[in-house]
Amino acid sequence: DTGVSQDPRHKITKRGQNVTFRCDPISEHNRLYWYRQTLGQGPEFLTYFQNEAQLEKSRLLSDRFSAERPKGSFSTLEIQRTEQGDSAMYLCASSPSGGDSYEQYFGPGTRLTVT
Amino acid sequence: AQKVTQAQTEISVVEKEDVTLDCVYETRDTTYYLFWYKQPPSGELVFLIRRNSFDEQNEISGRYSWNFQKSTSSFNFTITASQVVDSAVYFCALTPYGYNKLIFGAGTRLAVHP
Repeated sequence: DTGVSQDPRHKITKRGQNVTFRCDPISEHNRLYWYRQTLGQGPEFLTYFQNEAQLEKSRLLSDRFSAERPKGSFSTLEIQRTEQGDSAMYLCASSPSGGDSYEQYFGPGTRLTVT
Repeated sequence: AQKVTQAQTEISVVEKEDVTLDCVYETRDTTYYLFWYKQPPSGELVFLIRRNSFDEQNEISGRYSWNFQKSTSSFNFTITASQVVDSAVYFCALTPYGYNKLIFGAGTRLAVHP
């Protein structure tokens, strides 16, 4: 039983470049979430998928950010024209749908540094 | 508005001391869920506990215990006989029923020294 995995674990990029992160949720989980965590803060919600449908996006998700979950399994988060303010840990989480469990299981995160 | 406040930014204790991490939340919803997560230096958030708003019974799991009080909108977490391996950042989180996201506090960094 594997947990949530994320790739890459670290990414250093120059300002203006595009980056893409991948998340593989726990296999039986239908729900997938992306969060961003900056130093000294708690994670902040970015977006949520139920299967392949993106059902909610935070105002934090500017038009430079796009997320997909094409077959309802893995998800990608792309940031275009990166800015220094995008430097953060990007966390992916998954949870089963149905019932009232609501707990989310997190991956190890992708740490992005924009230079 | 939904909000979680963890007023303690950092706590430092010596091994075997008991320590309580405070969490105060705000929500207008009558049905909601509260969580605690642990984030060790490796960075991965580890789920510790979930509580729903209808269940105020305190819970104990080994050295961990949680005190949920709706009257004060608090969900505090106590570690008994702390150990060095407990050193981490601990987050309290809230999600109202039907929400699809966790609302986190800023976290409390716990350092347990030998």
